Amino acid sequence: DAGITQSPRHKVTETGTPVTLRCHQTENHRYMYWYRQDPGHGLRLIHYSYGVKDTDKGEVSDGYSVSRSKTEDFLLTLESATSSQTSVYFCAISEDVGLLETQYFGPGTRLLVL
Amino acid sequence: KNEVEQSPQNLTAQEGEFITINCSYSVGISALHWLQQHPGGGIVSLFMLSSGKKKHGRLIATINIQEKHSSLHITASHPRDSAVYICAVSYNNDMRFGAGTRLTVKP
Repeated sequence: DAGITQSPRHKVTETGTPVTLRCHQTENHRYMYWYRQDPGHGLRLIHYSYGVKDTDKGEVSDGYSVSRSKTEDFLLTLESATSSQTSVYFCAISEDVGLLETQYFGPGTRLLVL
Repeated sequence: KNEVEQSPQNLTAQEGEFITINCSYSVGISALHWLQQHPGGGIVSLFMLSSGKKKHGRLIATINIQEKHSSLHITASHPRDSAVYICAVSYNNDMRFGAGTRLTVKP
């Protein structure tokens, strides 16, 4: 199994509060991704990173920001959480050529915004 | 309209049956991925392919670029194959996912 961890694994928060999810890898892979998974929508790409301090937006980036100050960590921040951001969030990594290669997924973070 | 369509949405099979899950897409892609999501929620990448066919154990994935279609086959299905199978396509530095096919294999 690829060494990917996500923290926290579960979180309940209130509307309007900031939330940061962390993805940590021990594989030294270049690419990291954040997805959300919702019933009826499947998985959707939020943001991805192709190196330290290099990030780009995915399909559903509004309301989210990311940061990558170290190779091993990719943070997803909800500046002011809304109920529509209740979801399961998955982090993934890939080694060298991004979306053209196999991705390895973390265990997921279940976020509930009340 | 979703760029990636999977069929069927749900599939129930008896152990030992040959399974086919289909994926059609509407955009020009760089690669196509098949993922497996276990009942506990974990996601595993099964295949990434941009042409032809790949095989891993009892799993076979094929893609026809001209027809914008891919299939995932499972031979000699087993109850442990029960999961949601997800098709995804890479294009323009983005990924789009199908809604998934829920497979249940009964003993």
